[in-house]
Amino acid sequence: RKEVEQDPGPFNVPEGATVAFNCTYSNSASQSFFWYRQDCRKEPKLLMSVYSSGNEDGRFTAQLNRASQYISLLIRDSKLSDSATYLCVVNLRAAGNKLTFGGGTRVLVKP
Amino acid sequence: EPEVTQTPSHQVTQMGQEVILRCVPISNHLYFYWYRQILGQKVEFLVSFYNNEISEKSEIFDDQFSVERPDGSNFTLKIRSTKLEDSAMYFCASSPGRGELFFGEGSRLTVL
Repeated sequence: RKEVEQDPGPFNVPEGATVAFNCTYSNSASQSFFWYRQDCRKEPKLLMSVYSSGNEDGRFTAQLNRASQYISLLIRDSKLSDSATYLCVVNLRAAGNKLTFGGGTRVLVKP
Repeated sequence: EPEVTQTPSHQVTQMGQEVILRCVPISNHLYFYWYRQILGQKVEFLVSFYNNEISEKSEIFDDQFSVERPDGSNFTLKIRSTKLEDSAMYFCASSPGRGELFFGEGSRLTVL
């Protein structure tokens, strides 16, 4: 099993629709989880941290399911500008510093 | 807004040459990282650095790689003898804690 795994997509999403996708991780002791966004040929940028209770930031909702070892990201009311690759990042160490990226999920929002 | 800066933005080198990539992290951050991304592939962890020493490194980070923070501001990645497969975008990142990473714009390395 890969350490951090994502469906590569692409997810083709009509503008205004909702899209959701998951990321699975291998180490049950992992403590920190994040979603990043990467535009083509640019650096990754932090979108949001993922908290145990789930959290929301505007149109974006992140959730953590420890029992099944996955995190999810939901985007509501998709905008054309949401087109990007969404990267799941997990700190695989319970006490340490190995922030590992998934392969990314590509989202294409179309008019 | 404070940002991570990387130089050079693009370096072309011959196989077997030494390369040094430079990064200036955000000034009050404590954790520093190097990642690489081969074109079309995932972002791969190379090394994390805290308190003037390596805290984690990946299998990619072999004896050909080294990191330094020589003067308290710059954070460098050295590749001693470059190989063709080292061609990639190298991202530096810094973090105030054990999580949120702030990335530089990357240094593209092309090994011929």
